Amino acid sequence: DTGVSQDPRHKITKRGQNVTFRCDPISEHNRLYWYRQTLGQGPEFLTYFQNEAQLEKSRLLSDRFSAERPKGSFSTLEIQRTEQGDSAMYLCASSRGTGAQETQYFGPGTRLLVL
Amino acid sequence: QKEVEQNSGPLSVPEGAIASLNCTYSDRGSQSFFWYRQYSGKSPELIMFIYSNGDKEDGRFTAQLNKASQYVSLLIRDSQPSDSATYLCAGRPFGNEKLTFGTGTRLTIIP
Repeated sequence: DTGVSQDPRHKITKRGQNVTFRCDPISEHNRLYWYRQTLGQGPEFLTYFQNEAQLEKSRLLSDRFSAERPKGSFSTLEIQRTEQGDSAMYLCASSRGTGAQETQYFGPGTRLLVL
Repeated sequence: QKEVEQNSGPLSVPEGAIASLNCTYSDRGSQSFFWYRQYSGKSPELIMFIYSNGDKEDGRFTAQLNKASQYVSLLIRDSQPSDSATYLCAGRPFGNEKLTFGTGTRLTIIP
């Protein structure tokens, strides 16, 4: 399978714990995006990388959230001191480049439940 | 006002009929628009994109863009039960990478 992969697919944690999610983009894609989706809403942009550089971060990304893409391949999203409001589906997407025709392809998502 | 707005539905359409999904946007700088299909509990799956005024057809799907009216639509011909899903409209401004999504329209195809 050459699509975007994410791990884990599901995560249940207790409030206050730290969690880390991983995303592996499509191999030739140099752009990688993180979104968050809550029930009944569309995905909301969190951050994106071009290669290893983090080029934009949303206001939604509080200081408890950090994302990295150290070698320009896979990326990790860490949430520290989780809160119940962090419960959501965390989606990773990748694209090949820029331009009007460039499309983002989503991975299966990581569903986080904070108890 | 949300940047991308969709009627949340649910929209019910008989099998074999045409389903029409609509989306409006407020940012005139938006360049490209994308339609994603999302089954319950799954991630969004790209259906098609459009960035020029007019119609774009791909199989049973037709996307329409009217920049003057800031309106995007998706038509699904010969609707099938497998088309039952939530359809997400997303816009992307020129020179910006992030997608801004609407809340999605839930479509149900009635056999």
